[in-house]
Amino acid sequence: DQQVKQNSPSLSVQEGRISILNCDYTNSMFDYFLWYKKYPAEGPTFLISISSIKDKNEDGRFTVFLNKSAKHLSLHIVPSQPGDSAVYFCAASEEGTYKYIFGTGTRLKVLA
Amino acid sequence: KAGVTQTPRYLIKTRGQQVTLSCSPISGHRSVSWYQQTPGQGLQFLFEYFSETQRNKGNFPGRFSGRQFSNSRSEMNVSTLELGDSALYLCASRPSPPLSYEQYFGPGTRLTVT
Repeated sequence: DQQVKQNSPSLSVQEGRISILNCDYTNSMFDYFLWYKKYPAEGPTFLISISSIKDKNEDGRFTVFLNKSAKHLSLHIVPSQPGDSAVYFCAASEEGTYKYIFGTGTRLKVLA
Repeated sequence: KAGVTQTPRYLIKTRGQQVTLSCSPISGHRSVSWYQQTPGQGLQFLFEYFSETQRNKGNFPGRFSGRQFSNSRSEMNVSTLELGDSALYLCASRPSPPLSYEQYFGPGTRLTVT
């Protein structure tokens, strides 16, 4: 049972445009969400997080939106750069557990 | 600060053998978690250690075990290796509150079982 789903395995975007990566979850007990970026042969790099008490969090070019009623979160990258090309994972955890459930990832390709 | 380090980076073992992987967290981080990444499966949570105690465990068989030492370094052991254990094993550490939800990953150990 996949509790965290990233239904788009890949996404291509032109440099300078917006990249939108989506993530859906089924467990209403999840209260903290994170996005990671992963390059080949490296460990995931933490990008941005959001608590369930918020619906938006921004950090530079990265913004995460959380829609609790729809059990949906998204990561917006504006503007997209070729260096953003990587696999992006969303992850979720239940309050106090620190046990993270990851999605299967979306491969983003930013075209120059 | 140095990041999370994992050794070895690559490992080839034969089916039936056992293997031990090591992880050194970021200085000051007391929580260490382990994940298995296989193609198409994303990252699967194995277990989490905090102050030498296992606090959380994923849905993996008992062949997968771990421990944490007083200096927060952690080891993961897999006994009686199977071909399906071939994967990238990632270790992550977390800071203390209030940023305790943010995990930082090491580069991983690529295990190949033949």
